[in-house]
Amino acid sequence: DVKVTQSSRYLVKRTGEKVFLECVQDMDHENMFWYRQDPGLGLRLIYFSYDVKMKEKGDIPEGYSVSREKKERFSLILESASTNQTSMYLCATTTGQYGYTFGSGTRLTVV
Amino acid sequence: GENVEQHPSTLSVQEGDSAVIKCTYSDSASNYFPWYKQELGKRPQLIIDIRSNVGEKKDQRIAVTLNKTAKHFSLHITETQPEDSAVYFCAAPYSGAGSYQLTFGKGTKLSVIP
Repeated sequence: DVKVTQSSRYLVKRTGEKVFLECVQDMDHENMFWYRQDPGLGLRLIYFSYDVKMKEKGDIPEGYSVSREKKERFSLILESASTNQTSMYLCATTTGQYGYTFGSGTRLTVV
Repeated sequence: GENVEQHPSTLSVQEGDSAVIKCTYSDSASNYFPWYKQELGKRPQLIIDIRSNVGEKKDQRIAVTLNKTAKHFSLHITETQPEDSAVYFCAAPYSGAGSYQLTFGKGTKLSVIP
């Protein structure tokens, strides 16, 4: 089974802090994704990457950036955290053409 | 991109009854339609998917139907059990070969009442 590991389950950060969310996969998958999940809004794509050092914006990239220096690791960066970025963040990778495997999520609270 | 609408947002059924969740999509080129189940506090997990070359797919108590003409697909759960209680998400791919992006519906919270 593909394993997708998110480094933190819960995070509390202050407004204005720079925040790093890490995601690591243990298979050799090219495609990795960052989604945020909010009640009533479902899963919305922030950024994705289809190869090392490659990145593409999703639907809601504002206020975020990403880094993919190694194939197995995809980092989401909140340049200056704001309260409206309080959310559940889910990383995913493809097991097949579209079969996503999700990480267990990071619940971020910005105070 | 793709626009996916999912209904209803909440659904309550008695144990043993059937549940149906519907999704519509906008991109007629979409060819893959997965369903994910997310139990409380857990990650979404793929439960069933269908490709555009078939109209229906079944796996025990769950089935998915696809109507490409009308651009909608549905999840059917028969003989519901309390462990079916979860949030269910449908999804469809963005257009553009090779990107593997999915657009998700907003989710349906299914409650199965014992």
